[in-house]
Amino acid sequence: EVQLVESGGGLVQPGGSLRLSCAASGFTFSRYWMNWVRQAPGKGLEWVANIKEDGSETYYVDSVEGRFSISRDNAKKSLFLQMNSLRAEDTAVYYCAREKIPAAVDYYGMDVWGQGTTVTVSS
Amino acid sequence: IQMTQSPSSLSASVGDRVTITCRASQNIRRKLNWYQHKPGKAPKLLISDGSTLQTGVPSRFSGGGSGTDFTLTISGLQPEDFATYYCQQTDSAPLTFGGGTKVDIK
Repeated sequence: EVQLVESGGGLVQPGGSLRLSCAASGFTFSRYWMNWVRQAPGKGLEWVANIKEDGSETYYVDSVEGRFSISRDNAKKSLFLQMNSLRAEDTAVYYCAREKIPAAVDYYGMDVWGQGTTVTVSS
Repeated sequence: IQMTQSPSSLSASVGDRVTITCRASQNIRRKLNWYQHKPGKAPKLLISDGSTLQTGVPSRFSGGGSGTDFTLTISGLQPEDFATYYCQQTDSAPLTFGGGTKVDIK
């Protein structure tokens, strides 16, 4: 079964750090771009970052650029999101999601999603 | 690239035909996807590249448009279709979502 399972969420104080993980199974992880998407309470979906199959390219939404870092370990079939200098507005459910097409040279949408992990930034 | 969805919410009855629109702030070719999201669940990809229905998605869902203007149509709304729908452009990073359209029961 194709599956993504996030972990690492929790309560953190403003200015703190947190590292999210996403464990992949059931597919060849190393062939896919991977994404992080979040949803703040009562708000819509927001794409956060993505990373190429080999980790050589990464992109971020402006609001997290310089604070968050996406990475991956293909040998361990894992995706990560290192979040530093956290703010209240980073409070959200964070989803990892797979790009639909393997070895894609373009984007086609995200077809496999985890169930999400909750990050709460509060003092 | 900014994505603007309308309406932000709508009420409809089972069997109704529903259309949601999405406008991009610049030409995104046909690089537009539609997702369905229900509370407590993972989002589900319905349509990619403007009009390509994903495997297993009912044919009552259809997408159209190119350039800056796109639509998602549900022909014959079913009880399981009540959810929030999002468009997302994948023409260039950052891969922005629209604000969402909540479809609820009239």
